[in-house]
Amino acid sequence: RKEVEQDPGPFNVPEGATVAFNCTYSNSASQSFFWYRQDCRKEPKLLMSVYSSGNEDGRFTAQLNRASQYISLLIRDSKLSDSATYLCVHNDYKLSFGAGTTVTVRA
Amino acid sequence: GAVVSQHPSWVICKSGTSVKIECRSLDFQATTMFWYRQFPKQSLMLMATSNEGSKATYEQGVEKDKFLINHASLTLSTLTVTSAHPEDSSFYICSAAGGQTANYGYTFGSGTRLTVV
Repeated sequence: RKEVEQDPGPFNVPEGATVAFNCTYSNSASQSFFWYRQDCRKEPKLLMSVYSSGNEDGRFTAQLNRASQYISLLIRDSKLSDSATYLCVHNDYKLSFGAGTTVTVRA
Repeated sequence: GAVVSQHPSWVICKSGTSVKIECRSLDFQATTMFWYRQFPKQSLMLMATSNEGSKATYEQGVEKDKFLINHASLTLSTLTVTSAHPEDSSFYICSAAGGQTANYGYTFGSGTRLTVV
């Protein structure tokens, strides 16, 4: 079983829409999670950390559900520039990446 | 913020030749360097972890004699793909730990796209 698994999408949404997706993880002891963003043919870039209490950064909200072992990312008021692949990552002395969820925001 | 310079950004080589990829931490000392490989539409897969001055630790299934890693200084790590074959064509990315960044110490290079023909 993979350490982190994601719905690959793609999620095609119009500008201004809200889009949300999850990532499940297998190690119940995992403590540290992140969402990264990766644009085509580029390196991944940190979007935000994920805290147990949930955290928000502008239009982005991340949640961690330990009981069900998943993390989520919600994007409000989608912009064209939000089109990217979003990678779920957990840090267990090394970073383990999910395969990514592709989001395409259309005009 | 911390910067990791990776080059070349892309390379095309003939089958059987070797290719060296360099990652340099420009404004911090990278005590640990991680090397990843990413095939199209797949996740980044960790290949190996290297600590300055010691041998790299390879992940299961990664041939250490084929992917030579050298981390001789705190600012430079290299990955050499020896006797490259078309199946080695991939996107290789390094990540350095040790920088003072909001990224909890993980700074990525910009990646190297290797095409073996």
